[in-house]
Amino acid sequence: GQNIDQPTEMTATEGAIVQINCTYQTSGFNGLFWYQQHAGEAPTFLSYNVLDGLEEKGRFSSFLSRSKGYSYLLLKELQMKDSASYLCAAIDSNYQLIWGAGTKLIIKP
Amino acid sequence: GAVVSQHPSRVICKSGTSVKIECRSLDFQATTMFWYRQFPKKSLMLMATSNEGSKATYEQGVEKDKFLINHASLTLSTLTVTSAHPEDSSFYICSARVGGEIASPLHFGNGTRLTVT
Repeated sequence: GQNIDQPTEMTATEGAIVQINCTYQTSGFNGLFWYQQHAGEAPTFLSYNVLDGLEEKGRFSSFLSRSKGYSYLLLKELQMKDSASYLCAAIDSNYQLIWGAGTKLIIKP
Repeated sequence: GAVVSQHPSRVICKSGTSVKIECRSLDFQATTMFWYRQFPKKSLMLMATSNEGSKATYEQGVEKDKFLINHASLTLSTLTVTSAHPEDSSFYICSARVGGEIASPLHFGNGTRLTVT
């Protein structure tokens, strides 16, 4: 079956760095998305990776290793507003999105 | 940027009634829209793919007669929850891609919190 695994919850300190991991098992692979979702709100797009390597966008970076079925989202200089759930979603061979359950990130002062 | 508008944001209805949720693409045309459902602390679950001018494609286990989808124009898709029951209480979110490529990110509406009493 197809599966996305990511930690349920993580805690980090304001100003620090946190890495949220995501492993995926899909039938085929056509890329991976990261989304941010604040409580009670809809997800917003953060990044898309389809090639191996690191994509950097300001304080947020996303990494992909296709051979390992692994991705991570790196958040630097954490701010209180970064408290949210972070969803990992992989695209399978049928171009369907397979969603992880999300990682709830708690930022402490 | 691309905006997807969803209405209403919250709705409370009595068991047995029907509720309609609208999803509009405000500055782009969306031939395809996606309807998701999300339970607390759970993953997004794709319910159906709404196709303009044709029948929606429902995911396995989703009752098409209960969750009616209409995509009458390139900017509007509606989801009607018919004969709602308390177990239908959930967070419903619509989404659409601006571009046709799979790498185009999904833009989501703000979601509708449905509570059935």
